Amino acid sequence: NAGVTQTPKFQVLKTGQSMTLQCAQDMNHNSMYWYRQDPGMGLRLIYYSASEGTTDKGEVPNGYNVSRLNKREFSLRLESAAPSQTSVYFCASSGFTGYYGYTFGSGTRLTVV
Amino acid sequence: QQPVQSPQAVILREGEDAVINCSSSKALYSVHWYRQKHGEAPVFLMILLKGGEQKGHEKISASFNEKKQQSSLYLTASQLSYSGTYFCGTESLGGGSNYKLTFGKGTLLTVNP
Repeated sequence: NAGVTQTPKFQVLKTGQSMTLQCAQDMNHNSMYWYRQDPGMGLRLIYYSASEGTTDKGEVPNGYNVSRLNKREFSLRLESAAPSQTSVYFCASSGFTGYYGYTFGSGTRLTVV
Repeated sequence: QQPVQSPQAVILREGEDAVINCSSSKALYSVHWYRQKHGEAPVFLMILLKGGEQKGHEKISASFNEKKQQSSLYLTASQLSYSGTYFCGTESLGGGSNYKLTFGKGTLLTVNP
């Protein structure tokens, strides 16, 4: 089915370890986003890519890096994981105007111990 | 800056109505509404663009007052399936804020039989 695919769905890391969260969409959307969701905080934007070849910081970019590999794929990297990065991470995509809203992936539940 | 949603939580009996409000301190280009069920990804409900339009989706509708920088989501004759957390997402005008949504902290809606 068309949509946004995130991998992995669950991950446990030790403090200081690194990992990359993968995201791919097959809807030919221009824009892609990474959000984190913490209890009581809503969804907070980490990084986004308005179009292929561009990336920009969101509200909470510290400790993360991103790569827009091509139009379909947008990855999020944690270089040195910290317990404060324990969260649920959602990737989303939208068409150029966002007129039809964002389509979210199913999320990655990350625990850093 | 996150938009402010109110109320934080609401409990209804099946068939009752509810209103969820979303207020921003910035001039808005668009407001999105999403519903998220526990353990799932947010799902797009509707978008309201600058122009003060009102839109509907089944028994769920919304309004957007751009002068007041506010939007309201109306749920009428609520059904059990309406239970979940509702988020508004706002897209601000200019200043590098285009093409990205800032989400409120959410409103937990519980519909009981």
